[in-house]
Amino acid sequence: AQTVTQSQPEMSVQEAETVTLSCTYDTSESDYYLFWYKQPPSRQMILVIRQEAYKQQNATENRFSVNFQKAAKSFSLKISDSQLGDAAMYFCAYRRVVGGADGLTFGKGTHLIIQP
Amino acid sequence: NAGVMQNPRHLVRRRGQEARLRCSPMKGHSHVYWYRQLPEEGLKFMVYLQKENIIDESGMPKERFSAEFPKEGPSILRIQQVVRGDSAAYFCASSLTSWSGEQYFGPGTRLTVT
Repeated sequence: AQTVTQSQPEMSVQEAETVTLSCTYDTSESDYYLFWYKQPPSRQMILVIRQEAYKQQNATENRFSVNFQKAAKSFSLKISDSQLGDAAMYFCAYRRVVGGADGLTFGKGTHLIIQP
Repeated sequence: NAGVMQNPRHLVRRRGQEARLRCSPMKGHSHVYWYRQLPEEGLKFMVYLQKENIIDESGMPKERFSAEFPKEGPSILRIQQVVRGDSAAYFCASSLTSWSGEQYFGPGTRLTVT
């Protein structure tokens, strides 16, 4: 079974600084998707960024980028120029490609605090 | 383009009652997933449905829980004879295809069992 581990229950960063959230996963599959979702206090799950395992290039979305290390099974999220609106729970998630009928497997989340 | 809709947003039930949670996927999406989030936890997959079919219910408790996605109308997650441990946020997500990877989430239904 696939597992996703987020080892940082909480992180704090000064506004405008850069922060990196860690995620590791365990799978025997060679092809899969990885995601970072943001859950603000409204509890709405918002997709931040996605990475296909077959792509070597790290995904980037504006101030959000990932460091995908397939051999190490590591998928960290870097947030540059942190803003107050970035404060939220961040969840790393995995989904395999083969079969295609799977739900997402989530980590337990990292609570990101932005200090003004 | 309306997103995934869930209702009600909040639901209070006494122990032993039934809870019905509804989910309307994004327009054009025929794949629906239900997840449960307990306090201080990540989301846990429960069930995956396509129109009129349950594809994967490996995360669904064997008793009291059922789900459907009829040809017409929303997907329904039904919990019979609720217990306090069922108190959680229930999220629905939809996707355009089964292989597209991306799932778009609704705002969730917060179920409280008293």
